[in-house]
Amino acid sequence: NAGVTQTPKFQVLKTGQSMTLQCAQDMNHNSMYWYRQDPGMGLRLIYYSASEGTTDKGEVPNGYNVSRLNKREFSLRLESAAPSQTSVYFCASSEERQGYEQFFGPGTRLTVL
Amino acid sequence: GENVEQHPSTLSVQEGDSAVIKCTYSDSASNYFPWYKQELGKRPQLIIDIRSNVGEKKDQRIAVTLNKTAKHFSLHITETQPEDSAVYFCAPKAAGNKLTFGGGTRVLVKP
Repeated sequence: NAGVTQTPKFQVLKTGQSMTLQCAQDMNHNSMYWYRQDPGMGLRLIYYSASEGTTDKGEVPNGYNVSRLNKREFSLRLESAAPSQTSVYFCASSEERQGYEQFFGPGTRLTVL
Repeated sequence: GENVEQHPSTLSVQEGDSAVIKCTYSDSASNYFPWYKQELGKRPQLIIDIRSNVGEKKDQRIAVTLNKTAKHFSLHITETQPEDSAVYFCAPKAAGNKLTFGGGTRVLVKP
């Protein structure tokens, strides 16, 4: 039981490049989330998916898109990376029927030059 | 949306002393109140949570208290140990399943 997994662990991009961050969970959770964490700060919600087939904007969605590919997988895409998107990105999942605890992946450290 | 503030932002305590972190929130519809711990370079993990129909909950050396009228809840750590050094986040939940994270409190336990 791997929980929540994320790839890649580290990534360096040049301004204007695109990339997709992958997230998968094996806990059969309905809800999945993408957060960003800037140095010394809390987590800010980018997008979330309450269930397969649905996605909604969070607090800081600009510059990002998401895809809930199936119940297990939720990807985050940066179409044209900017230095302001340098951050650590965390994926999380939860299941309302089991309480509201969110389980986090190990994070992706992204640097945009 | 929910406005969440944590105080203090940093807290330094001697090993064995107690630590208290307070979280205030704005949405009176909030009904779930968790605390997460994040060690350096690691992912956040839930350490304790409380529902709106309960005033206090304890788990060994940690406890959470809730004051719904005043819209704040607090994390209490007793007999602090070096492994308690971390960043702690409150994350109240209002409508739906979304949590709103506070800015974090960095706790340093000095031996």
